[in-house]
Amino acid sequence: KNQVEQSPQSLIILEGKNCTLQCNYTVSPFSNLRWYKQDTGRGPVSLTIMTFSENTKSNGRYTATLDADTKQSSLHITASQLSDSASYICVVSGDFGNEKLTFGTGTRLTIIP
Amino acid sequence: DGGITQSPKYLFRKEGQNVTLSCEQNLNHDAMYWYRQDPGQGLRLIYYSQIVNDFQKGDIAEGYSVSREKKESFPLTVTSAQKNPTAFYLCASSARSNNYYEQYFGPGTRLTVT
Repeated sequence: KNQVEQSPQSLIILEGKNCTLQCNYTVSPFSNLRWYKQDTGRGPVSLTIMTFSENTKSNGRYTATLDADTKQSSLHITASQLSDSASYICVVSGDFGNEKLTFGTGTRLTIIP
Repeated sequence: DGGITQSPKYLFRKEGQNVTLSCEQNLNHDAMYWYRQDPGQGLRLIYYSQIVNDFQKGDIAEGYSVSREKKESFPLTVTSAQKNPTAFYLCASSARSNNYYEQYFGPGTRLTVT
């Protein structure tokens, strides 16, 4: 069964600090891995998308890594801001053109001043 | 939220009533999707449509129905047969970008059934 597991479930850090969120997946075949940011009560917004051949991708203060051999990904947030408080969802696409996505349950990040 | 609109943002219904959630996009995307989000669970696919007048069941289609008469619109009806309809419903559309299809989500509709 295709699964995406994220850790930790929740995280609280001080403003200005860095943090790393983890994602492990068992989706096969693998096409690409995505990280989304979801503010409370809003729709998810894409942060990064990485294909099999990419092992790192940045979007401003967000840097995602992918190890397709170990089926692990991480999302690193640098110099956190209050606006980073949100849920971060790891999503894996198993088959190009199929459009079937497997969603993780998300990590709830809270930034405190 | 891009060019995808969902209405209303909050919806309240009595048990036993059907209710229709609206989703409109002006991105000229061919494919559209409906997901359900519950606390502590990942998004689950209800229905998707890759072209006008065609749609397929997702993983949890029971108790739901859709139509795709126009490219821009993909309404979802939650019927009285859906046993646990209270949830946050997200609509998405997608377009091909490089070697993948990127999905763009709407702002969501929170449905409460009592």
